[in-house]
Amino acid sequence: KQEVTQIPAALSVPEGENLVLNCSFTDSAIYNLQWFRQDPGKGLTSLLLIQSSQREQTSGRLNASLDKSSGRSTLYIAASQPGDSATYLCAVRSPNDYKLSFGAGTTVTVRA
Amino acid sequence: DGGITQSPKYLFRKEGQNVTLSCEQNLNHDAMYWYRQDPGQGLRLIYYSQIVNDFQKGDIAEGYSVSREKKESFPLTVTSAQKNPTAFYLCASSPRSGQNEQFFGPGTRLTVL
Repeated sequence: KQEVTQIPAALSVPEGENLVLNCSFTDSAIYNLQWFRQDPGKGLTSLLLIQSSQREQTSGRLNASLDKSSGRSTLYIAASQPGDSATYLCAVRSPNDYKLSFGAGTTVTVRA
Repeated sequence: DGGITQSPKYLFRKEGQNVTLSCEQNLNHDAMYWYRQDPGQGLRLIYYSQIVNDFQKGDIAEGYSVSREKKESFPLTVTSAQKNPTAFYLCASSPRSGQNEQFFGPGTRLTVL
């Protein structure tokens, strides 16, 4: 069974600092990995999706890397802003399966 | 606007009652999913459906039921058999082909009184 871990559970940084969020998974045989953002009491917003054949994906200030062999993905957010404060979740999809296995998330606070 | 809608946003249930949560999508996605989110935990899959009139149990299906009579709709019923139903419920959908990126609705918060 795929297990997904996100450490740390919470992170507080001053505005302007770069954010580094970690995601690890136990089974390297994945189909893809998705990063989501969740604001309090809201649904999930998809940020980036990385296919198993890709090493990274970029969107604006966001960059996500994937290292399947070590079971790790990292989400980088450049020049953080208070509006980036949210919980960030990663989720892994296994081959031949439509299910996503989620980490518990990292709650980010960006201080003005 | 294309997207996923869930209703109601807040739902209160008395013990012993069944309640049904609505999920509708106009993205023309074949696959739909129901997840449950509890504080400090990752999302857990309740049920999913890849096509109309077909659905499979997820990791925590006990005490829940679903139907998939239309492509656009995937309602979830929380039955009285679910012992701890207070949680945040999220519906999602994805295409069956391609990257299968999942998109989520705004959620329904269910509280048992």
